[in-house]
Amino acid sequence: QAVLTQPPSVSEAPGQRVTISCTGSSSNIGAGYDVNWYQQLPGTAPKVLIYGNNNRPSGVPDRFSGSKSGTSASLAITGLQAEDEADYYCQSYDSRLSGYVFGTGTKVTVL
Amino acid sequence: QVQLQESGPGLVKPSETLSLTCTVSGGSISGYYWSWIRQPPGKGLAWIGDIYHGGSTNYNPSLRSRVSISLDTSKKHFSLKLTAVTAADTAVYFCVRVQNGGWFDPWGQGSLVTVSS
Repeated sequence: QAVLTQPPSVSEAPGQRVTISCTGSSSNIGAGYDVNWYQQLPGTAPKVLIYGNNNRPSGVPDRFSGSKSGTSASLAITGLQAEDEADYYCQSYDSRLSGYVFGTGTKVTVL
Repeated sequence: QVQLQESGPGLVKPSETLSLTCTVSGGSISGYYWSWIRQPPGKGLAWIGDIYHGGSTNYNPSLRSRVSISLDTSKKHFSLKLTAVTAADTAVYFCVRVQNGGWFDPWGQGSLVTVSS
């Protein structure tokens, strides 16, 4: 059961900017727990894109950036490329569930 | 670098027990939490639970009555058991390492388990 809410889909032309929101509550994002973002290409395992709200692992292009405010977080992708077509998930920790929670997932389409 | 590989039956009958093992290579199993995450076909990700190298476990409350995760440090693998499975447990099961700070990396390639008679 996904606890974090994301838009089902976003689409934009190549070279443009998209943002994906991740809305939580006072027991997860709002409680100060970090938000992490994953990219899942078709038929593959998810890969971490952003950890600790706004940190990129080595190898992740700086076109990807994360932010967090209050009970929400966002992932921004600038200079959209065809290879960015994928599903994106946010993830955090929830104190009420005493466990990790994921977002509902967002499919990014490059027009 | 650390690599994870899931193994186990791809087909389980309803009411039986699902068992998967994750083998860790290229690094130590000590000092980390190790977790299982699943993804039903066409759906999102769901955390199942995790285990620390010392043996302490945490489980998703929705599965707690049916799930157990164990760790064999000497063999460098950890395992998932899910009892009394139904069709709703059909999913790709991923094993992952939990990084300090609560993010998941790396991921195994995933193992599809279908519950069907």
